[in-house]
Amino acid sequence: EPEVTQTPSHQVTQMGQEVILRCVPISNHLYFYWYRQILGQKVEFLVSFYNNEISEKSEIFDDQFSVERPDGSNFTLKIRSTKLEDSAMYFCASSEQRSPLHFGNGTRLTVT
Amino acid sequence: GQNIDQPTEMTATEGAIVQINCTYQTSGFNGLFWYQQHAGEAPTFLSYNVLDGLEEKGRFSSFLSRSKGYSYLLLKELQMKDSASYLCAPGYSTLTFGKGTMLLVSP
Repeated sequence: EPEVTQTPSHQVTQMGQEVILRCVPISNHLYFYWYRQILGQKVEFLVSFYNNEISEKSEIFDDQFSVERPDGSNFTLKIRSTKLEDSAMYFCASSEQRSPLHFGNGTRLTVT
Repeated sequence: GQNIDQPTEMTATEGAIVQINCTYQTSGFNGLFWYQQHAGEAPTFLSYNVLDGLEEKGRFSSFLSRSKGYSYLLLKELQMKDSASYLCAPGYSTLTFGKGTMLLVSP
């Protein structure tokens, strides 16, 4: 069964550094998403992406964050100047229209 | 924001039936998803209701009442591996997750 893949599985970075989290969505899906989950808290929506542009973003997704689809398969989340509170599990997901989201296994980001 | 309300924790024994309720804000609603999340893992899709009524899928069933802003997930013949967090996720323009119900299944 096709699946969403995310790399790396764990990223440790120092405060103030930039990180890029990578995702390969399911190949025939057109909608892409990033969610995050701080330890012990709920899964929070960050951004959705369709037709090569952001379709919706949450209050969390401020100027520190950006997304890109650099080629036909990858979907990336960049976090500039990371803060301690950015430490979380970041999930990428993809879907067809009005269909269930399929999540990747996540990237655990630790900011020290 | 969307108000999604579900119990924080539930406990049940192996072989039993458990019902996890969820209420949500109805404006802009276009379907409700249930996901299962084991600790440290990604959410996995369980069921989807877009119309009122019951959807059955093996040991799992989900019910929706759009007028009441209410859904439940029914788990039958509970197994130890069903111990997980169950996330109610109303679909608005984006999929929004509740805080989840942590289900603990004991022998």
